This record gives sequence, structure tokens and C-alpha cells, in this order.
Amino acid sequence: QKEVEQNSGPLSVPEGAIASLNCTYSDRGSQSFFWYRQYSGKSPELIMFIYSNGDKEDGRFTAQLNKASQYVSLLIRDSQPSDSATYLCAVNDGQAGTALIFGKGTTLSVSS
Amino acid sequence: NAGVMQNPRHLVRRRGQEARLRCSPMKGHSHVYWYRQLPEEGLKFMVYLQKENIIDESGMPKERFSAEFPKEGPSILRIQQVVRGDSAAYFCASSRQGASNEQFFGPGTRLTVL
Repeated sequence: QKEVEQNSGPLSVPEGAIASLNCTYSDRGSQSFFWYRQYSGKSPELIMFIYSNGDKEDGRFTAQLNKASQYVSLLIRDSQPSDSATYLCAVNDGQAGTALIFGKGTTLSVSS
Repeated sequence: NAGVMQNPRHLVRRRGQEARLRCSPMKGHSHVYWYRQLPEEGLKFMVYLQKENIIDESGMPKERFSAEFPKEGPSILRIQQVVRGDSAAYFCASSRQGASNEQFFGPGTRLTVL
């Protein structure tokens, strides 16, 4: 059974701080790693994805992969109250047309 | 707006009725996926389709649920004889043909079974 585990939180950080979100995955064959943001009552929004060959930075967001430990992280620098949401980690084997395996998400709360 | 479209956004059915959920993928996308999100649960894959073909239905319940993606028109997820446990948010996602598997989600259909 392929699984993705995330701490449900809530993770609370003050405005301007760095928020660090993590997930672990069970399938060693996973090749693509995705972070989605989901506001309450809304649909998931893709914010970052990385392949198994490296980390990625995009604005205030950095996604990092530790393949040996089967661990993916998302760092949000200069956190804003608008970043308050549930962050979903998802993985798949990197092939087009394969299902994403999602974690249950971590709720982030950024206080002003 | 070239995003994934789903309708209806909200659907109320009584037990035993049928529910039909529709999804139109983003322009240029030929892969459609259906996911279900139960309260307090994560997103669970149900089925993956391309035009006129079901490619992977490993996440679909064996009974009452079916999906199609006809040559013309939207993809449809059909739930027959709905039960209260079917109440959930149903999301459709789409992706391009090719090696990348970035999936973009529609706004979802919130199904409530009375």
C-alpha cells in the first residue's frame, strides 16, 4: 500500500517567519513530488512540484527532497496570513497518467 | 477561463437517486482524473481516463460508480443508488499528454446525500 504521511498540525507561525512543512512517502519508486495548497472549501491549487533529480525554489517557496530518507519538505519564507491553508503533499511514479497519492495535509496558520 | 470546469458545484440527492458529475479538462489537456475527498480525509484517486478510454479505475468502488470520457463532451462520473456515505467533495483534475504529470484541479462538486 503506497502511503504519504503528513503531520496534520496545525502548524502555527508568526507573520514573516519561515514555515516548514514535511511529508514522508513509502514507495521508493516515487519520482515526482507535488505540493498543493487548499483553502477551506476550495479545490487544491498546485504550488510546487519537483522531480527526483533536485530541489526547486520559486519565489518564497522552496521544495526539497531527501530520497534516502523518503522525505519531502516545503519551506515558505516570509510567511503571510494569506498563506494560512492546508498543504497537501502528493507523489507518483513520474509517468504521465498515473494517479497522485496524497497525504491528508498539514494545516498552516500564520498569525499577524 | 481555460481552467478545469466542473458542474454542478453543489448537488443534493436523496438516498437511492443517481448523481451525475461533469468535468471539462483544461484546453490542451487529454488526461482526466477523478478524486474524492471525504470529510477529514485526504484526496483519494478514483479513476483516470483519456478520450473514450478508461485507463486506470483501481480506485473506483466496485459497485454503483462508473465513469466515462466520450469523444465529444465532458467526462462524467456517475453514482447510482447513492448512499449517505457517498457525501463528499468530488474533484476532477486534468493534465497534458507527455512526460510531465502536473495535474490541475477543478473547483469540485460537493455531493450531499440526504
